[in-house]
Amino acid sequence: DTGVSQDPRHKITKRGQNVTFRCDPISEHNRLYWYRQTLGQGPEFLTYFQNEAQLEKSRLLSDRFSAERPKGSFSTLEIQRTEQGDSAMYLCASSPQGASNTEAFFGQGTRLTVV
Amino acid sequence: KQEVTQIPAALSVPEGENLVLNCSFTDSAIYNLQWFRQDPGKGLTSLLLIQSSQREQTSGRLNASLDKSSGRSTLYIAASQPGDSATYLCAVRPNNAGNMLTFGGGTRLMVKP
Repeated sequence: DTGVSQDPRHKITKRGQNVTFRCDPISEHNRLYWYRQTLGQGPEFLTYFQNEAQLEKSRLLSDRFSAERPKGSFSTLEIQRTEQGDSAMYLCASSPQGASNTEAFFGQGTRLTVV
Repeated sequence: KQEVTQIPAALSVPEGENLVLNCSFTDSAIYNLQWFRQDPGKGLTSLLLIQSSQREQTSGRLNASLDKSSGRSTLYIAASQPGDSATYLCAVRPNNAGNMLTFGGGTRLMVKP
């Protein structure tokens, strides 16, 4: 396992279209996170899964956004009716569950451009 | 609400210099603090993780310190190299706010040959 994998790396879409991104975490990690990063800013938390349960959602996650992790392995993030303001880097991270080690490992991200 | 600030926002130094990047956070009740490196257009690479009970962590030319009571962390880079050029981000994990990380805005470092 080489780390957290995200697909696609880049996505250009027209405003109003739906897009879906995939994240494959490190195999033994049961915690998975989605973050969004705009140019020149630090990442902002979107949502968190422990196994297949979505336990936390940020207020940034409008009702156009939905995330799933159906079998507790890979996760998808869907954005419906995309807007230009959705243009950003979408980052996925995973971490183990141990109480003493919650180091987060990030993927390479999916760069979304809405035109 | 936790806020994380990184100063300076950008830094340019000649190769070989030792340098310090600063990170401050408003709520000292943190579980741990993590430093990351991000190359342009890429994801984040974890550099160092400091638990709230620790004072510092070292990895190669990197040393990170944590002063939880004053809400500060520093990342020290010794003998900087052009390959160190990147954006450095710090992030804190709060005790009572679940598992999310709160990030600073980053310090963009350029090391000139």
